[in-house]
Amino acid sequence: DTGVSQNPRHKITKRGQNVTFRCDPISEHNRLYWYRQTLGQGPEFLTYFQNEAQLEKSRLLSDRFSAERPKGSFSTLEIQRTEQGDSAMYLCASSLIGSQNTGELFFGEGSRLTVL
Amino acid sequence: GENVEQHPSTLSVQEGDSAVIKCTYSDSASNYFPWYKQELGKRPQLIIDIRSNVGEKKDQRIAVTLNKTAKHFSLHITETQPEDSAVYFCAAIPYGNNRLAFGKGNQVVVIP
Repeated sequence: DTGVSQNPRHKITKRGQNVTFRCDPISEHNRLYWYRQTLGQGPEFLTYFQNEAQLEKSRLLSDRFSAERPKGSFSTLEIQRTEQGDSAMYLCASSLIGSQNTGELFFGEGSRLTVL
Repeated sequence: GENVEQHPSTLSVQEGDSAVIKCTYSDSASNYFPWYKQELGKRPQLIIDIRSNVGEKKDQRIAVTLNKTAKHFSLHITETQPEDSAVYFCAAIPYGNNRLAFGKGNQVVVIP
């Protein structure tokens, strides 16, 4: 499968624990996005990278959240000291931005976080 | 920032009928408007998009129309089939911005 892959697909943790999600984008894609989706809502933007540079972070992203894309390929999203309000589906998406493409986002299947 | 709203939140149609979902946006500088389909438990997938220099775009049973003056765009699905049942998200990206702002989604239910 050459699409966007995310793992783990499901994570159940206790409040206060740290969790880390990984995203492997489509290999030639230069942009990588993290979104959060809760039940009955659309994806909410968290942050995005162009290659290895993190270019924008949403105000939704508290200092407990950190994302990296160290070599411009895979990315990790870490949540420290998890809270019950962090329970959501964390979606990763990638796109190829250039002179002759639409910038279509290709989403992964998501990582579902449940904080008890 | 861009604010995207969708109406109605839920739409039920008989198989074979047409479905129309409307989306409004707030930033007049937005210039790219995609529609994503998300089936239960699956990832969102792009089904059609339109840019601000075009008023309408069609792909088989799916079409999108854009009214820049009124700042709204609509998804039209003709001859609906059960596999069209899903949540549909509209989105917008303002000129000079680099990330999509999504609406809350419309649940479309096609009744066989």
